[in-house]
Amino acid sequence: AQSVTQLGSHVSVSEGALVLLRCNYSSSVPPYLFWYVQYPNQGLQLLLKYTTGATLVKGINGFEAEFKKSETSFHLTKPSAHMSDAAEYFCAVSTEYGNKLVFGAGTILRVKS
Amino acid sequence: GAGVSQSPSNKVTEKGKDVELRCDPISGHTALYWYRQRLGQGLEFLIYFQGNSAPDKSGLPSDRFSAERTGESVSTLTIQRTQQEDSAVYLCASSSTYREQYFGPGTRLTVT
Repeated sequence: AQSVTQLGSHVSVSEGALVLLRCNYSSSVPPYLFWYVQYPNQGLQLLLKYTTGATLVKGINGFEAEFKKSETSFHLTKPSAHMSDAAEYFCAVSTEYGNKLVFGAGTILRVKS
Repeated sequence: GAGVSQSPSNKVTEKGKDVELRCDPISGHTALYWYRQRLGQGLEFLIYFQGNSAPDKSGLPSDRFSAERTGESVSTLTIQRTQQEDSAVYLCASSSTYREQYFGPGTRLTVT
């Protein structure tokens, strides 16, 4: 079975500061990993994905994540937070690209001015 | 259409009533998924349709929940004899074969 743990249900950063959202996964087979963002009253939008190949993946809006197999982690980072980044972020794993996703509980990011 | 659409956007129903939620996937997408998002929680997988294959129903929480899909088009999620614990946002997603999932805006279901 697969599972995802997101450390910190709420993260608060100042505008311009580094954003770091943590995600650890459990999978018995090579995982496919995703980060989604959800703005209030909207559906989920894909930020970035890791399937195979390069372990550092870049996504939209300046976000990136690094797949670390030894640490079973896929943390999301952004060098400089913007007010518009305030949203809820979900990490997800699947065993096959396009198969059902297992989601973490989510992290709400607050950006302070 | 341009994206996944869902209807209704909001549904309030009384305990014990049946409800139907609709999902229109992106045209040409062979795969369709239903997820449930309870307040303050992540998304739970409910059911997955892939082309003409038998659906993966492993996430349905009880036999009160069912879903149908006609070909590669519209899907309907039905909840019979609704309970208060069914209150959640129900999200639909679609994808091309072995590609990333695109999500709809969801249906917020409130059972009173």
